[in-house]
Amino acid sequence: NAGVMQNPRHLVRRRGQEARLRCSPMKGHSHVYWYRQLPEEGLKFMVYLQKENIIDESGMPKERFSAEFPKEGPSILRIQQVVRGDSAAYFCASSPGGLAGVYEQYFGPGTRLTVT
Amino acid sequence: AQSVTQLGSHVSVSEGALVLLRCNYSSSVPPYLFWYVQYPNQGLQLLLKYTSAATLVKGINGFEAEFKKSETSFHLTKPSAHMRDAAEYFCAVSGNTPLVFGKGTRLSVIA
Repeated sequence: NAGVMQNPRHLVRRRGQEARLRCSPMKGHSHVYWYRQLPEEGLKFMVYLQKENIIDESGMPKERFSAEFPKEGPSILRIQQVVRGDSAAYFCASSPGGLAGVYEQYFGPGTRLTVT
Repeated sequence: AQSVTQLGSHVSVSEGALVLLRCNYSSSVPPYLFWYVQYPNQGLQLLLKYTSAATLVKGINGFEAEFKKSETSFHLTKPSAHMRDAAEYFCAVSGNTPLVFGKGTRLSVIA
């Protein structure tokens, strides 16, 4: 059973460009979480999605960031008009259920975004 | 609301010595508590979790943690450090809300 896959692993964007980060959950998992990790910081929750639904986006910046998890295909985290402060590692996790305390979240290797 | 404080951003131990990584939490509901390990350029791997069963939780790689409600703590220990334990360790809490992580503790193991 393949683990959570993220691509690309490294992404370089110039200020003002768009960044698209992809996450394929583990087989059988329909719950996806996105986290951001800034240098010297822990992971910060961004958004929680189920297939075709955003369940909790309380951690998402109000502008330029969006996420989706379509019926078919990977989950996408999209950052429009990137700025230097968006440089970070973005991790995706998937789980078979939505209760964070009950269902283990399995993490992908992350996408390291660098904005120049 | 939940929060986590990890005391010590960097801990250094000798190989074979006791490992103790500290975590204190705050939660308005009975918490679920987790310890994750992150190796360089990799994602997080679950070491162990507390879900209101036994207060002493055993995890992978010889790690264990004890839930102490009176102290709001969930410290991670390992009796004897190995070089391969060098990594970043994160404590996290959830009250069936999204995981809230501490800032992490980097463990160095000296030969």
